[in-house]
Amino acid sequence: SQKIEQNSEALNIQEGKTATLTCNYTNYSPAYLQWYRQDPGRGPVFLLLIRENEKEKRKERLKVTFDTTLKQSLFHITASQPADSATYLCALVRGSQGNLIFGKGTKLSVKP
Amino acid sequence: GAVVSQHPSWVICKSGTSVKIECRSLDFQATTMFWYRQFPKQSLMLMATSNEGSKATYEQGVEKDKFLINHASLTLSTLTVTSAHPEDSSFYICSANGGHENIQYFGAGTRLSVL
Repeated sequence: SQKIEQNSEALNIQEGKTATLTCNYTNYSPAYLQWYRQDPGRGPVFLLLIRENEKEKRKERLKVTFDTTLKQSLFHITASQPADSATYLCALVRGSQGNLIFGKGTKLSVKP
Repeated sequence: GAVVSQHPSWVICKSGTSVKIECRSLDFQATTMFWYRQFPKQSLMLMATSNEGSKATYEQGVEKDKFLINHASLTLSTLTVTSAHPEDSSFYICSANGGHENIQYFGAGTRLSVL
């Protein structure tokens, strides 16, 4: 069955450092992969989408890579700030209706 | 743009009562909306896919008679938790498919507590 895994439940880093989050998937060949941010008690917010033919995508301090051979996406936040502390979810589309499968998320804590 | 409003944000009810949660796309039309449930420190679990003008598609293990979904217009889907019990207490989140590459726009969620 299709699986999407975010190996780290939690990641603690110091302010100013680069945070790197990992998303792996199996039994799947997605055309694109999405990343969302979720704050406690709130719904997720879309951040970035990367297509299978794109190696890398950037948006301000965010960078996403997509390796279809390794079946892995990496999500980077450079010059991290305490305000970046949140849970980050990766997601793949499943089915014709656009259903998303979400990873369990990685809770990022950026310490000042 | 692409704002989804979910109401109420928080509800407490007695066991055995029914609770209705509304999900509205405010500035776009959504033929497809989704309902999720999320337990503490867990990821989003898709409950059902709601299509405007047709019956919802429920995920395996989700009781369709307990979680009634109605998607009567292109901007409104409702989830009714019927005869709620304490084990139904959870965080319910809706989303709307924005169309472009299936990006989903989420509501703020509804915290349901059944006493």
